[in-house]
Amino acid sequence: NAGVMQNPRHLVRRRGQEARLRCSPMKGHSHVYWYRQLPEEGLKFMVYLQKENIIDESGMPKERFSAEFPKEGPSILRIQQVVRGDSAAYFCASSPPRDSLGYGYTFGSGTRLTVV
Amino acid sequence: DQQVKQNSPSLSVQEGRISILNCDYTNSMFDYFLWYKKYPAEGPTFLISISSIKDKNEDGRFTVFLNKSAKHLSLHIVPSQPGDSAVYFCAAEDNYGQNFVFGPGTRLSVLP
Repeated sequence: NAGVMQNPRHLVRRRGQEARLRCSPMKGHSHVYWYRQLPEEGLKFMVYLQKENIIDESGMPKERFSAEFPKEGPSILRIQQVVRGDSAAYFCASSPPRDSLGYGYTFGSGTRLTVV
Repeated sequence: DQQVKQNSPSLSVQEGRISILNCDYTNSMFDYFLWYKKYPAEGPTFLISISSIKDKNEDGRFTVFLNKSAKHLSLHIVPSQPGDSAVYFCAAEDNYGQNFVFGPGTRLSVLP
């Protein structure tokens, strides 16, 4: 039973390019969350999605960042025209519905984005 | 404005002794709390949780205590082992919340 799968593990982009980060939630999980960890900082919430719906994107920068979780396939976090300040580790987590037994997040191993 | 605070960025403990990691929160609506452990270059892994209807939850060497009136929780690890060396994140959610709010983490080093 695979956990939360994120790919790629490492991604290097030049300034101005686009970065696409993918996340496949755990089987049976319908809620996906993206978090960002900047160097020497904690985990910052970015966006919460369910299938085909963005539930809460209050942590997403207003420009250049977007996320989707289509009916089929993984969730995608897309960063357009990347800048050096986007360099960070991006973690995806999934969870079952809140009233489920053992509710909580399962995290993927993260994608480490480096902008050069 | 940090709703979840972990005021000790780092903590060093001798192997075999108790490690106590602290977490404070400001939102009185938080009613579910979790601790995660994170090794370098890996995703956080779930450690233990507690809901606001309890004041203690124990799982092996790990015990979480919740003091709702003080808006404070702590994670006790006893006995501490070198493999416990990691960054520990406290996270909280309210009953209407849509996501967990994480603290900045505490780096625990268990010295052999």
